[in-house]
Amino acid sequence: AQKVTQAQTEISVVEKEDVTLDCVYETRDTTYYLFWYKQPPSGELVFLIRRNSFDEQNEISGRYSWNFQKSTSSFNFTITASQVVDSAVYFCALSEIRGGNQFYFGTGTSLTVIP
Amino acid sequence: NAGVTQTPKFRVLKTGQSMTLLCAQDMNHEYMYWYRQDPGMGLRLIHYSVGEGTTAKGEVPDGYNVSRLKKQNFLLGLESAAPSQTSVYFCASSLAGTGLEKLFFGSGTQLSVL
Repeated sequence: AQKVTQAQTEISVVEKEDVTLDCVYETRDTTYYLFWYKQPPSGELVFLIRRNSFDEQNEISGRYSWNFQKSTSSFNFTITASQVVDSAVYFCALSEIRGGNQFYFGTGTSLTVIP
Repeated sequence: NAGVTQTPKFRVLKTGQSMTLLCAQDMNHEYMYWYRQDPGMGLRLIHYSVGEGTTAKGEVPDGYNVSRLKKQNFLLGLESAAPSQTSVYFCASSLAGTGLEKLFFGSGTQLSVL
């Protein structure tokens, strides 16, 4: 069974639109961590944010915001006023304490921002 | 600012050939990983290492071997390449294995097996 599901394979938006990337996870652990990584066209994955299972506060960082809801096992990522530089593949990932830092990645969402 | 360095960046092999991918990190990280990325499948863990001299199997280890003789290096070997191993390979490292450590990735190796 897929531990991390990113149902949106590809999304296209026009520049300055807001866009939300969905992530649903599955775990039996009470302590776990959730991550978002960005993979720009250059290929290298870049860390964006980390959240632990005990902290459900939403977070905002500039144009980025994250909505973590344990009740629905979701960790969604919103980009406000999207820019062309936001075009990338975005991966959601789950890390379980028992797993010794083994990460479970979703299949990624490819975001294209059209100028 | 080297971080995690992978070599080579591109490689084409014929079926049955062997090769080794090299990953080097200069951050004194304990954990190192090899992932493969395939369309529609995200990143899947091949092997990982929790410290010098140790290795462990991940989700898709068959057809690959690894070694971690030095803390800063993690080698991924293909003894007899198959077309199913055509993929983009990423090396990553993390400071520890507590579950909360973020991964630092290399820039990837595009491997084609004909």
